[in-house]
Amino acid sequence: KQEVTQIPAALSVPEGENLVLNCSFTDSAIYNLQWFRQDPGKGLTSLLLIQSSQREQTSGRLNASLDKSSGRSTLYIAASQPGDSATYLCAVHGRPGNTPLVFGKGTRLSVIA
Amino acid sequence: DAGVTQSPTHLIKTRGQHVTLRCSPISGHKSVSWYQQVLGQGPQFIFQYYEKEERGRGNFPDRFSARQFPNYSSELNVNALLLGDSALYLCASSPWAGTVNTEAFFGQGTRLTVV
Repeated sequence: KQEVTQIPAALSVPEGENLVLNCSFTDSAIYNLQWFRQDPGKGLTSLLLIQSSQREQTSGRLNASLDKSSGRSTLYIAASQPGDSATYLCAVHGRPGNTPLVFGKGTRLSVIA
Repeated sequence: DAGVTQSPTHLIKTRGQHVTLRCSPISGHKSVSWYQQVLGQGPQFIFQYYEKEERGRGNFPDRFSARQFPNYSSELNVNALLLGDSALYLCASSPWAGTVNTEAFFGQGTRLTVV
């Protein structure tokens, strides 16, 4: 059974810092990995999707990497801003097609001005 | 283009009642999935539908049911509500099965409170 763990559970940084959020998964046979952002009480916003054949994806100040063999992914946020404050969730797809996402519990990020 | 839309956004129900939540996927997406997220946890998979057929079911009791309509919208039904059913219910849509791109897009959720 796939399990996804995110470390740390919470993180507080001053504005302008670069930071890394970690995600690990127990079964390396994943199809893709997706990072989401969730504001309090709101739905999920897709940030980045990494296919299993890819090593990284970039969008603006965000960069996500994937190491399937070690069961790890990182989300790098450059020059953090107060508006980045949210919970960041990592989720994996086990195989192609219509398979459910397996989520971690998320990392709650606070960027202090 | 409209994203995934869910209704209602909030509702309060009494224990033992029934509730129906609704979801409209992104235009062109034929797969809809439902997730339950309790406070402080990641979303948990409930159901997945594709082309109006159930393609997956999570570890939830039979009080939970769902269906998908010909226009690919979906309903999640929960009978005999318990206090523990209080959660944010999320709907996700994605492109049809078999494509490489299985990126999931979520709605804003329905906050259900059972009192």
